[in-house]
Amino acid sequence: GAVVSQHPSWVICKSGTSVKIECRSLDFQATTMFWYRQFPKQSLMLMATSNEGSKATYEQGVEKDKFLINHASLTLSTLTVTSAHPEDSSFYICSARDLNGLAVYNEQFFGPGTRLTVL
Amino acid sequence: GENVEQHPSTLSVQEGDSAVIKCTYSDSASNYFPWYKQELGKRPQLIIDIRSNVGEKKDQRIAVTLNKTAKHFSLHITETQPEDSAVYFCAASNQAGTALIFGKGTTLSVSS
Repeated sequence: GAVVSQHPSWVICKSGTSVKIECRSLDFQATTMFWYRQFPKQSLMLMATSNEGSKATYEQGVEKDKFLINHASLTLSTLTVTSAHPEDSSFYICSARDLNGLAVYNEQFFGPGTRLTVL
Repeated sequence: GENVEQHPSTLSVQEGDSAVIKCTYSDSASNYFPWYKQELGKRPQLIIDIRSNVGEKKDQRIAVTLNKTAKHFSLHITETQPEDSAVYFCAASNQAGTALIFGKGTTLSVSS
């Protein structure tokens, strides 16, 4: 159980275009999902916290108008990178908490990540 | 907010030796401390975690210790094997459901 998927696993786009990344909890409900960004040889940096039915909370330095997050259901959160530029090229990973089984322990389950390359 | 420091950034050991990675955290409200192993291009894989109500936890060759007073926790890997080579991250969060805050990672190399 506790499986999180992401789609696509990799994407290449031209500078100035927008890219949408989906994060799904496949066998549990997740009121909260988190989006991280990881540059090569660096750590996972929290970008935003996505709450079902409400606005996302962004970390300092993350542009909310550039990284649009929508969490419309208990199993799906999307991250849209708008007007992508080469410096947005990174590994984007989502994670989700199991609302029922493990919420009290705060264990999180990670998606497989999406490799974004902006040309 | 929470800040997690991790040391060392790189660690090289001989097969069979032990490896120790240390982390400190800043937020006294943090009470959940997982350790992840990440291979290149893949998601972090939880290898062990500890909650603030215990001081030590062990799972075969892997153990984690927590000192709440000093706000530090450590990962211990015994009898290292080449397949233990990877990047290891510590993290911290609190029970209120906040995100995990990660350390900068340790690249462990185990040579045979």
